Amino acid sequence: EVQLLESGGGLVQPGGSLRLSCAASGFAFTNNWMIWVRQAPGKGLEWVGSIHPDGSEESYADSVKGRFTISRDNAKNSVFLQMDRLSVDDTAIYYCSISNRASHWGPGTLATVSP
Amino acid sequence: DIQMTQSPSSLSASVGDRATITCRASQGIRNDLGWYQQKPGKAPKRLIYAASTLESEVPSRFSGSGSGTEFTLTISSLQPEDFATYYCLQHNKFPLSFGGGTKVEIK
Repeated sequence: EVQLLESGGGLVQPGGSLRLSCAASGFAFTNNWMIWVRQAPGKGLEWVGSIHPDGSEESYADSVKGRFTISRDNAKNSVFLQMDRLSVDDTAIYYCSISNRASHWGPGTLATVSP
Repeated sequence: DIQMTQSPSSLSASVGDRATITCRASQGIRNDLGWYQQKPGKAPKRLIYAASTLESEVPSRFSGSGSGTEFTLTISSLQPEDFATYYCLQHNKFPLSFGGGTKVEIK
């Protein structure tokens, strides 16, 4: 059974940092791109970024480029989202998902940026 | 960047009605499109991939069609559990992009 579980969300002040994790199991993690998607309260879905199966390539939304970094540890079937220089506009539920086709999703983790 | 224009943004319908949701891409994306259902407080769930292929265990009342720039999600006979928000996602090119969503409400 495919499972994804995000963690690391919480409350942080503007300008601060958070590191989100996504633990994956039940599929060939090392063969798949992994992506992060976020959803601000009451809003739609927004792609954040993607990482290549071997970590050699990343792509980001303009809204987070230069502030967010996606990485992965294939030995631990985990993907990470390092979020720096956070602003209130980054408040959202953050989901990880499998491949750019977003086939399966975790339950999400809430990151709240507030003074 | 590819913009995905989804319509309508909301629709009100009764159980048993047919519902049709459209996504229009600003440039051709072949069939690199998925449809997702999201219920309040839950993660999205993919219903359809490659524009028209139904995920296993998704009821056959859901169908997808289209290629290039015009795509449609149809629910042939709305059931109570189908009242939710639906999104399309194009994965033809980075940056990936979602439609704005369609909230399907009970009339």
